[in-house]
Amino acid sequence: DIMMTQSPLSVAVTPGESASISCRSSRRLLHSNGITYLSWYLQRPEKSPQLLIYQISNLASGVSDRFSGSGSGTDFTLQISKVETEDVGIYYCVQFLEVPYTFGAGTKLELK
Amino acid sequence: EVQLVESGGGLVQPGRSLKLSCVASGFTFSNYGMNWIRQAPGKGLEWVAYISSTSSYIYYVETVKGRFTISRDNAKNTLYLQMTSLRSEDTALYFCARHQLWVDNWGQGVMVTVSS
Repeated sequence: DIMMTQSPLSVAVTPGESASISCRSSRRLLHSNGITYLSWYLQRPEKSPQLLIYQISNLASGVSDRFSGSGSGTDFTLQISKVETEDVGIYYCVQFLEVPYTFGAGTKLELK
Repeated sequence: EVQLVESGGGLVQPGRSLKLSCVASGFTFSNYGMNWIRQAPGKGLEWVAYISSTSSYIYYVETVKGRFTISRDNAKNTLYLQMTSLRSEDTALYFCARHQLWVDNWGQGVMVTVSS
């Protein structure tokens, strides 16, 4: 199985500042079709997860452009600029390259 | 608007069975693969099962193989998860989730508690 390792597991950010979350996969997530199957989700407290980013860096519909994704191969990053109250929650990276689809442990973002 | 509404959860004794349903609306259900993903209390997300749009491809996480069965009825826009031989470690909030190369929409989840 592909292991997904996120860091840090928690981060406290001052509103208006930026945050960065890393995700590392145990194998490259690039498919032979050229697509890298790495996505990011935010789960706000008591809510269902919400898609933020797909294919490393594509912003999901309706998601603020304060969110951005980057990376390649096995190392990926989610950047959040100008953090707002609504960004509080747990962020997960996940690979959809092969089953079993696997999630990172999650990174809890809190406000200072 | 895409809507996924799960039902069928509850409290069940170890070793017993339960069947979850997920009714889809707001999109052409028969065009999409679907997943069940679960979240144990206070824990992270765990993918459980996937079914392709025509049920041709079905996959499970190892821990539920032989106990859970994912299925769908495209005429009823409904996804199912039949769970048998339930264990305490199956206690979780179960989400159905739409799949298009990645998961793009989630239901609100339904709670399954396995306890005597």
